[in-house]
Amino acid sequence: KAGVTQTPRYLIKTRGQQVTLSCSPISGHRSVSWYQQTPGQGLQFLFEYFSETQRNKGNFPGRFSGRQFSNSRSEMNVSTLELGDSALYLCASSLVPSAQGEKLFFGSGTQLSVL
Amino acid sequence: GENVEQHPSTLSVQEGDSAVIKCTYSDSASNYFPWYKQELGKRPQLIIDIRSNVGEKKDQRIAVTLNKTAKHFSLHITETQPEDSAVYFCAASRGGSDSWGKLQFGAGTQVVVTP
Repeated sequence: KAGVTQTPRYLIKTRGQQVTLSCSPISGHRSVSWYQQTPGQGLQFLFEYFSETQRNKGNFPGRFSGRQFSNSRSEMNVSTLELGDSALYLCASSLVPSAQGEKLFFGSGTQLSVL
Repeated sequence: GENVEQHPSTLSVQEGDSAVIKCTYSDSASNYFPWYKQELGKRPQLIIDIRSNVGEKKDQRIAVTLNKTAKHFSLHITETQPEDSAVYFCAASRGGSDSWGKLQFGAGTQVVVTP
């Protein structure tokens, strides 16, 4: 069974640009969560999608958005990039929403660098 | 919302000794507490979890204890080995079959096991 796949693996952008990251969950998983990881800040929750609907959102500005498709694949978008958006963005999938006690399977992440 | 504090931020232990990481949570309704391990350059992986109806859970050299009254839970690693070196994250959420709560992570603990 293929794991969670995130593309691209690395991205370099400049301030003001926008970026789209992609996540393909494990087959059969319907919940996809996104996390931002920076040194010293741990895993900051961005949002979670289940059955194409955003079920929860973290404390991030509206520049961060996402969506989920009917095949459970998810994308997140960051507009008007700022230097502070440089981070590793991790996607995780689970059968049902993570808070229901379901194990999260993480992807390898997309390392975003904003110059 | 839920807030999870994790201590210490770094932990250095001699091989064979025990390591203990503590987390406190703020939401008394939280009832699901997983621990994730992230080795350098790799994705986080679930190592153990506990639900609020259980006070302790063990899996070989690792164990988790939960004190609901004090709202804290701990990870215990016995007979540490070099491969235990990693960043460990605790998390908490209000789980349940109909819960859409967020899985809130702690900031992480860097564990270094020296031979």
